[in-house]
Amino acid sequence: DIVMTQSPLSLPVTPGEPASISCRSSQSLLHSSGNNFLSWYLQKPGQSPQLLIYFASSRASGVPDRFSGSGSGTDFTLKISRVETEDVGVYYCMQALQGPLTFGGGTKVEIK
Amino acid sequence: VQLVESGGGLVQPGGSLRLSCAASGFTFSNYWMAWVRQAPGKGLEWVASVKGDGSEKYYVDSVKGRFTGSRDNAKNSLYLQMNSLRAEDTAMYFCARGEVAAYDSWGQGAQVTVSS
Repeated sequence: DIVMTQSPLSLPVTPGEPASISCRSSQSLLHSSGNNFLSWYLQKPGQSPQLLIYFASSRASGVPDRFSGSGSGTDFTLKISRVETEDVGVYYCMQALQGPLTFGGGTKVEIK
Repeated sequence: VQLVESGGGLVQPGGSLRLSCAASGFTFSNYWMAWVRQAPGKGLEWVASVKGDGSEKYYVDSVKGRFTGSRDNAKNSLYLQMNSLRAEDTAMYFCARGEVAAYDSWGQGAQVTVSS
């Protein structure tokens, strides 16, 4: 199974400041199509997860442009250019290259 | 797009439960669908995926032989039949739509509690 490792586990942030979350996979997530099969999700408190980023760097519909994804192969990053209070919650990365699909352990973003 | 799960509840170890996910707002048969669960206070775990026409199904090892995913495209519904339930199956179960190697829409979840 592909193991997904996120860091940090917890990320206290100040509104208006940038934030960055790392996700590493135990195997390359680069598909023969040229896309990395890595996606990012945000689960706000008491809610279902919502898709933020797919193919490592493509923003999902309706996602603010302060969210960006980067990386390729085994190292990926989710960046929030200026954190807003509504961005609090747990962020997960997920690989869909190979079954079983696996998620990272999550990064809890909270306001300082 | 709307996904609404139902069928959750309290069941004894060894018992069975069938979850349903009613889909609307899109052409259901065109999409892979999945079940993803979240144990209390824990992270997300993919459980099963079912291809649009139902011809392919995949499961996480921990549920193989106990859970069966299915769908009825005429009713725009996804199902998860769960047998031989264990305490470690206790979780919120989400159905999700697969698109661009990701899950772009999620239901609100159905709580399954396995306890005597």
